[in-house]
Amino acid sequence: QVQLVESGGGLVKPGGSLRLSCEASGFRFSADYMSWIRQVPGKGLEWVSYIGGSSLSKYYADSVKGRFTISRDNAKNLLFLQMDDLRAEDTAVYYCAREASFGVADSWGLGTLVSVSS
Amino acid sequence: EIVLTQSPGTLSLSPGDRATLSCRASPSITTSFLAWYQQKPGQAPRLLFYGASSRATGIPDRFSASESATDFTLTISRLEPEDFAVYYCQQYDDLPRTFGQGTKLEIK
Repeated sequence: QVQLVESGGGLVKPGGSLRLSCEASGFRFSADYMSWIRQVPGKGLEWVSYIGGSSLSKYYADSVKGRFTISRDNAKNLLFLQMDDLRAEDTAVYYCAREASFGVADSWGLGTLVSVSS
Repeated sequence: EIVLTQSPGTLSLSPGDRATLSCRASPSITTSFLAWYQQKPGQAPRLLFYGASSRATGIPDRFSASESATDFTLTISRLEPEDFAVYYCQQYDDLPRTFGQGTKLEIK
């Protein structure tokens, strides 16, 4: 079955950096778009970024464009989100999600909490 | 940006009741590129429907979804205790992909 396990979250000061990872298993990783979706605790959902299977197609929400970089390693079934110049408003649970059908997050990880605070 | 407005914000019902949740897009979505998710406390969202009315794998048939000219609707025919959660709609008709603010389905 599909498994997605995020790691790399934590507490960081404003202006700092973090790199999130998502280890995928149970499906043909290289064939699917993958996404990062975040949720401020107790609040709604925001689609942060997605990447195509060959890494040629990438998308970033305006709120993170120029600060976050999505990438993947298909040989190791890993998805990454490099987050630079972090701001307090980036504080959220970050979910890794698979898009078996483009635009639809059909499988989600448990999430990793990123807290940006001085 | 397509704004999804879900109603009601909170729905208080009892097990066995019928639940009807609405999602309206502005501007309108001309395709059927809308999904529904269920989220329970402390858990990640779970996909319920995609393509407006296609049930995801493993979703019980008491859940159904439909679309009209102006709205998308999620219906739960007979509420089970495990159905009380927050429900989100999400559009993938255009970028940015957006979610509704959620409908909380709580036990009356």
